[in-house]
Parts: sequence; C-alpha cells; structure tokens
Amino acid sequence: EPEVTQTPSHQVTQMGQEVILRCVPISNHLYFYWYRQILGQKVEFLVSFYNNEISEKSEIFDDQFSVERPDGSNFTLKIRSTKLEDSAMYFCASSEDRTPGNTIYFGEGSWLTVV
Amino acid sequence: GNSVTQMEGPVTLSEEAFLTINCTYTATGYPSLFWYVQYPGEGLQLLLKATKADDKGSNKGFEATYRKETTSFHLEKGSVQVSDSAVYFCALIGSGNTGKLIFGQGTTLQVKP
Repeated sequence: EPEVTQTPSHQVTQMGQEVILRCVPISNHLYFYWYRQILGQKVEFLVSFYNNEISEKSEIFDDQFSVERPDGSNFTLKIRSTKLEDSAMYFCASSEDRTPGNTIYFGEGSWLTVV
Repeated sequence: GNSVTQMEGPVTLSEEAFLTINCTYTATGYPSLFWYVQYPGEGLQLLLKATKADDKGSNKGFEATYRKETTSFHLEKGSVQVSDSAVYFCALIGSGNTGKLIFGQGTTLQVKP
C-alpha cells in the first residue's frame, strides 16, 4: 500500500537553530498537510497546501514556520528559529482530494526535540 | 468552533473483552467522522470512517455509527486482542471539508492476555 514517508524520524536541535522536516507524500495525492502533537496533548492541525500554495493555516503556524514543495515529490516544513515549545511529533499527511470522507494518510512522524 | 471529546484513558481490558471508547463531537452542519489508530512506534492509520448520519464504519472487527441525534461516534469491538493495544483517536472534518482534521485527545487501550 502506498505510504507517506518522513525524515528524519528523530531530530535533536538547539534552541534558535533552523530545522527542516521532510516528507514524501503519496504520489498521486494533491493535498498536503502538517500536523503536530506535543507530548500528552492532542494532534493539532498546522497547515494545508495545495497547488503550490497554503490553503489554510492554524494560529500555531506563525512566521517561524514555512512549507515548500521544492520538487515533484518532496514536501517540507521549516522552522526558522526553534523554541523549546516546538518540541513535538510532527506528522506529514496527504490526500487525493477533499471530497466528503476522503481519507487523509499520515506518515510515521518526526520527533523534534529542542534543547 | 468544531471539537471532539473522547473518554479518558487508559483503558485496560482482558483479551476477548468487549470494547467501547466513547466519542462525542461539536460541529455545525454535517461533518465527516473518523477513527484513527496509532500502534506503538508507528504513525496514525485510518481505522474507519463515516460521512453521514446513521452510517456505520467498520474495519478489523471495529465498528462505529454516526449518531447525529447524540452527536456521537463511539468505537466498539466485540472481542479485543492483545494486538489491538494502541492509542485510538476520534476525529472530524467539518462540512466545509478543508481537509483540516480536528482530533480528540486520544484514548490508550491496553489489552492483557
């Protein structure tokens, strides 16, 4: 079964450093997402991306965050200057379309630890 | 705004016991409802879904029925196995269907042999 793949699986970074999390969505999917889960809290929506632009973003997704689809396969999340509170599991996801009940497929996540 | 509330965990059951994990939601219009599962060390996997009132989603022996009158989507399984031990997330996408999933807090299920 096709799957969403994410790298790295775990990254430790110092506060203030830039981090790029990478994702390869399912190949025929057109919609891409990032979610995050702070330890012990709910999975939260960050951003959705379609046709090379952001279609929706949450309040969490401030100027420190950016997304990009640099080529035909990768989808990246960049955090410009990490803070301790950015420590979380970051999930990439993709979907074929947005018809009612359309399945959103998730990757295994990238654990980010900011120290 | 839209929200999902799940029963507090952890839930600990013996193998072959009956499972119910309660989920209620708040949403305008007609959301689509989902259960995702996260096995240890893995990502989120769709378990089942329902897109309209009275629909029943089912997969791997799990079932959930979309109840609009009670705004609920409770997950049930008649006989759990040790391999069902995981975290279960109830979620919805609002009727505008932007692709933005709203998750509950997750319920940890531990099944003992």
